[in-house]
Amino acid sequence: DQQVKQNSPSLSVQEGRISILNCDYTNSMFDYFLWYKKYPAEGPTFLISISSIKDKNEDGRFTVFLNKSAKHLSLHIVPSQPGDSAVYFCAAIGGGADGLTFGKGTHLIIQP
Amino acid sequence: EAQVTQNPRYLITVTGKKLTVTCSQNMNHEYMSWYRQDPGLGLRQIYYSMNVEVTDKGDVPEGYKVSRKEKRNFPLILESPSPNQTSLYFCASSPYRATNEKLFFGSGTQLSVL
Repeated sequence: DQQVKQNSPSLSVQEGRISILNCDYTNSMFDYFLWYKKYPAEGPTFLISISSIKDKNEDGRFTVFLNKSAKHLSLHIVPSQPGDSAVYFCAAIGGGADGLTFGKGTHLIIQP
Repeated sequence: EAQVTQNPRYLITVTGKKLTVTCSQNMNHEYMSWYRQDPGLGLRQIYYSMNVEVTDKGDVPEGYKVSRKEKRNFPLILESPSPNQTSLYFCASSPYRATNEKLFFGSGTQLSVL
């Protein structure tokens, strides 16, 4: 049973607009959430994270929102740029597991 | 340059022929881990190591072995590879397993088992 879910395999957004990537989780014991970005032929790289005691964390064009009651988090990218085209993985820490629990990823495509 | 280095980048082998994928990090990290990425399944943890001589199973350990004799190296061993182990493999490390620590990933090893 997948504990971290990214239900959109792909998302297409026009350059300059907002990209919103969603992630849902089922384990209420998760206490830290991260987003990773992955380009083809490269390993994932850390993008942004949020602790379960917060509901928002911002870093430049990237903002992550956490809604604990809904067990939902989202990554906002504003404005979207061509270099943002990549696969984005949502991940969670805690819940009795060692290491990160990853979602399946969302392929973001930024259209010119 | 701080990095996690995996070798080889690409590997084609046949069923049953033992192979080793090497992983080395130069950041003096205590925690290391192996993941596999499959279409539609995302990243799944195979094994991890909290420190030298300490290893534990992840979510999908069957068919794999690891060792951690030195802090910097964490090889992944497939004693008798099978086609269902065809996948993209990533090694990762972090300073310690803290609740807010980020993983540093290698560039990946694409393995094909025929």
